[in-house]
Amino acid sequence: AQSVTQLDSHVSVSEGTPVLLRCNYSSSYSPSLFWYVQHPNKGLQLLLKYTSAATLVKGINGFEAEFKKSETSFHLTKPSAHMSDAAEYFCAGSNDYKLSFGAGTTVTVRA
Amino acid sequence: DAGITQSPRHKVTETGTPVTLRCHQTENHRYMYWYRQDPGHGLRLIHYSYGVKDTDKGEVSDGYSVSRSKTEDFLLTLESATSSQTSVYFCAIRPGQGAVDGYTFGSGTRLTVV
Repeated sequence: AQSVTQLDSHVSVSEGTPVLLRCNYSSSYSPSLFWYVQHPNKGLQLLLKYTSAATLVKGINGFEAEFKKSETSFHLTKPSAHMSDAAEYFCAGSNDYKLSFGAGTTVTVRA
Repeated sequence: DAGITQSPRHKVTETGTPVTLRCHQTENHRYMYWYRQDPGHGLRLIHYSYGVKDTDKGEVSDGYSVSRSKTEDFLLTLESATSSQTSVYFCAIRPGQGAVDGYTFGSGTRLTVV
C-alpha cells in the first residue's frame, strides 16, 4: 500500500516569501501523488496531482510540485506566499483504489 | 462540493446511540469512500465501496459499518457511538478506473459524541 509522510507539521512564512512543504512517499512501484488544501472549516480542494506524465507538476493558485524518484519525494512549493495561502495542506498517495494521506502541514502566513 | 453532498453537516449524539451519516453523489461514480479527520492524523480511510453492495474495510473500520444499496448513496453507521468517534467525517468519490484520477470530497460532517 502507498504511504506518505509529511515532514513538517507546521510551517510559518512571511507574505511574499517562498513556501516549501515536504512530502516523502514509500511505494514498491510508481505511485499517483496528490496535494490537497483545506481552509478552516472547509472541505478538501485538489491543488495538483502527479500521474507520471511529467515530473514537475503545476497546480492552481501558483503552486507546483516536483516528483523526485531518487529521493522518493513530492515537495510542494510556491514562489511567493499570499495571506490567502494560510491553510492546512495534505499530501496523499494512491497506487490501488485507495487514497492515503499524510498527517498534514499547517501553513501560517505573517504579514 | 459540486456533485457530492453529506448530511447532516453537524450532529451531537450521546454515547451508545446509533448514528448514520449519508453521502449522496450525482456523478454516477463507482467508487465512494468514508474518511475521518483528526488532528495529527490527517484523513484516515474507514470504509470504501466499489459498486452497489460492494464494500471493503479501510484502516480504521472498527466500530463502523457501511451500506450502498444505490449507486448514488453511501451510508456510514456507527452502531453504538463512543467518544473516540468524535471527529469530522468526509465522503469522497472518484471517477474512472485508475488510481490516477483525482478524488472529490464532500464538505464534511462534524460529529460530537458526548
